[in-house]
Amino acid sequence: KNEVEQSPQNLTAQEGEFITINCSYSVGISALHWLQQHPGGGIVSLFMLSSGKKKHGRLIATINIQEKHSSLHITASHPRDSAVYICAVNPGNTGKLIFGQGTTLQVKP
Amino acid sequence: EPEVTQTPSHQVTQMGQEVILRCVPISNHLYFYWYRQILGQKVEFLVSFYNNEISEKSEIFDDQFSVERPDGSNFTLKIRSTKLEDSAMYFCASSMGAGAGTGELFFGEGSRLTVL
Repeated sequence: KNEVEQSPQNLTAQEGEFITINCSYSVGISALHWLQQHPGGGIVSLFMLSSGKKKHGRLIATINIQEKHSSLHITASHPRDSAVYICAVNPGNTGKLIFGQGTTLQVKP
Repeated sequence: EPEVTQTPSHQVTQMGQEVILRCVPISNHLYFYWYRQILGQKVEFLVSFYNNEISEKSEIFDDQFSVERPDGSNFTLKIRSTKLEDSAMYFCASSMGAGAGTGELFFGEGSRLTVL
């Protein structure tokens, strides 16, 4: 069983739609990361969360530690949001992240 | 904006050859990491490095792998004798701290290694 599960695996949306990507994990964690992987392969950190909610521009990330669940929301989606979104959890304090399989998002104009 | 830089962006090598992948982390960061992603698979942790020593490594990081911070700015990953299954994208990352407060990771663009 995967320790980090994301859903959906693939998501196609129309420009302007509200998007939600979910992440469930089965281990205790110190923090959860949301990452964006560009088509060229590079990875950018979007959020690091240990509780509550964070917002950056059109992106919102929430985490519920008791339920071991996090969501990434994108408001007013745009074709440039098309990427793979990866959830990764840190079970300790060493950067030994456990990664989800990623959610491939395509936003059509 | 400070960034993590990796070289080379792509390296092709013959099986059995030694490869060194180089990374320049963000200058005031203290924790350094290598991850890899085999094509079509999840990203996997390889090793973390702090205070000039390995702080944790995965089962993948066997005796064929080593890391070094030779000069206070570069952080290198060496694969001594490459195998076909080492073909992957290798990502370097750095962070100020390791815990929930300051452990935000900054990734390089990756080095694609192809072993023939």
